[in-house]
Amino acid sequence: EAQVTQNPRYLITVTGKKLTVTCSQNMNHEYMSWYRQDPGLGLRQIYYSMNVEVTDKGDVPEGYKVSRKEKRNFPLILESPSPNQTSLYFCASSPIPLTGNLYGYTFGSGTRLTVV
Amino acid sequence: AQKITQTQPGMFVQEKEAVTLDCTYDTSDPSYGLFWYKQPSSGEMIFLIYQGSYDQQNATEGRYSLNFQKARKSANLVISASQLGDSAMYFCAMREGRSNFNKFYFGSGTKLNVKP
Repeated sequence: EAQVTQNPRYLITVTGKKLTVTCSQNMNHEYMSWYRQDPGLGLRQIYYSMNVEVTDKGDVPEGYKVSRKEKRNFPLILESPSPNQTSLYFCASSPIPLTGNLYGYTFGSGTRLTVV
Repeated sequence: AQKITQTQPGMFVQEKEAVTLDCTYDTSDPSYGLFWYKQPSSGEMIFLIYQGSYDQQNATEGRYSLNFQKARKSANLVISASQLGDSAMYFCAMREGRSNFNKFYFGSGTKLNVKP
C-alpha cells in the first residue's frame, strides 16, 4: 500500500529533551515536507525537501532540524523542545511534476506532540 | 491577500442531503492545482479530490464533486447524499505552477456536522 508512515502517533516529552519524529514514504516521491497544525493558525510549513540532500526552510523553521539522507526518509528533529512546540505534526510527500498535473500531498497519520 | 479563503467555519447538513463547502482562491499563475482534504476527529488528512487549472471538466470522485468556476476563482466542494461519517473538518488547498512548487496553501477549514 502506498503510504507515508510517521512515528510515533503520540508523544509526551519534557522541555529540552531531544526527540526525533520519523517519516518514511514508499512511493519514490522526490518532494517531502513537514507541517504543524495549531488551532486558529492552520497548517504551517516547517521544512521541505526537493530531493536527497536538498532541504529548505518553510514558514516556521525555528527550533526544528531535518535531514534527507535517503529518498524515502525525512525525519524531523527537535533538539531542545519547548512547550510552544506542542502541536499536531504532519509529514507529507508528493512527486515533482515534469508535465501535467500538479500533485497533491499524501499525508502521514500525524504526530500529536506535547511538550511539558 | 489570502491565497485560499474558506468563509464557512462550521456547517450543518441533514443526513442524505447534499452540501456545498465554499472555497475561493487567489493566484496569478496560469498553472495551478486545487485540492480538498478531509480531516476527521482522529486527525489524519485524507485526500478527496483534485482540479487542475487547465481541466475543462469539473472533477468528480464518487460522492464528491468540485464545482470549478475559474473566472470567479472558486472551487467549491459538493458532497452528495451526506453520511454521518462525513462529519469532519474540510480543507481547501492550492499548489501553484512548477516555479512555486514548494508552496502548498491551505484554507482555514470548514467543520461539517452531519445530523441524523
